[in-house]
Amino acid sequence: NAGVMQNPRHLVRRRGQEARLRCSPMKGHSHVYWYRQLPEEGLKFMVYLQKENIIDESGMPKERFSAEFPKEGPSILRIQQVVRGDSAAYFCASSRTQGGEAFFGQGTRLTVV
Amino acid sequence: QQPVQSPQAVILREGEDAVINCSSSKALYSVHWYRQKHGEAPVFLMILLKGGEQKGHDKISASFNEKKQQSSLYLTASQLSYSGTYFCGTETNNNDMRFGAGTRLTVKP
Repeated sequence: NAGVMQNPRHLVRRRGQEARLRCSPMKGHSHVYWYRQLPEEGLKFMVYLQKENIIDESGMPKERFSAEFPKEGPSILRIQQVVRGDSAAYFCASSRTQGGEAFFGQGTRLTVV
Repeated sequence: QQPVQSPQAVILREGEDAVINCSSSKALYSVHWYRQKHGEAPVFLMILLKGGEQKGHDKISASFNEKKQQSSLYLTASQLSYSGTYFCGTETNNNDMRFGAGTRLTVKP
């Protein structure tokens, strides 16, 4: 049973480009969370999704950031017109049920140059 | 909404014990504990659900006081492999999971 898969593991973008981060949850998991982590800091909540629905996006900047979790395929975190401040590790986690164990992917390390 | 963890950092010698605390101002549905080593993903340790409970495996255990909205992680007879940053994640009935700022644990020989 594969774990949470995130790709790419490393992503380099120039300022102004778009970044697309993918997260395939564990089999049978319909809850997905996205977090951002700066070096030596904690996990900052961005968005919580269930299949085809955004449940809570209160942690996500209103501009340039969007997330989706379609019926088929991975969850996507999209950052448009990236800036240097977007450089961070982005982790997703998935769980089967509300309050259930959440498992993390290996993260995508985004570097904006 | 973010839970508060304490202490921020702790240094132990092998074999010593440590307690990490996590508190929230909101009514909690569950508390999750994770350990993250440098450059790696957080790894799930355990989950405690409302109703108040204690859990543990090996020498790591945790408690959840639902009335106080607090949880504590207990590490006994610490090993070098316990080093890392420990995060508590709290979940309310809104299903969102928020993490504390983390507690950096260093175990020295």
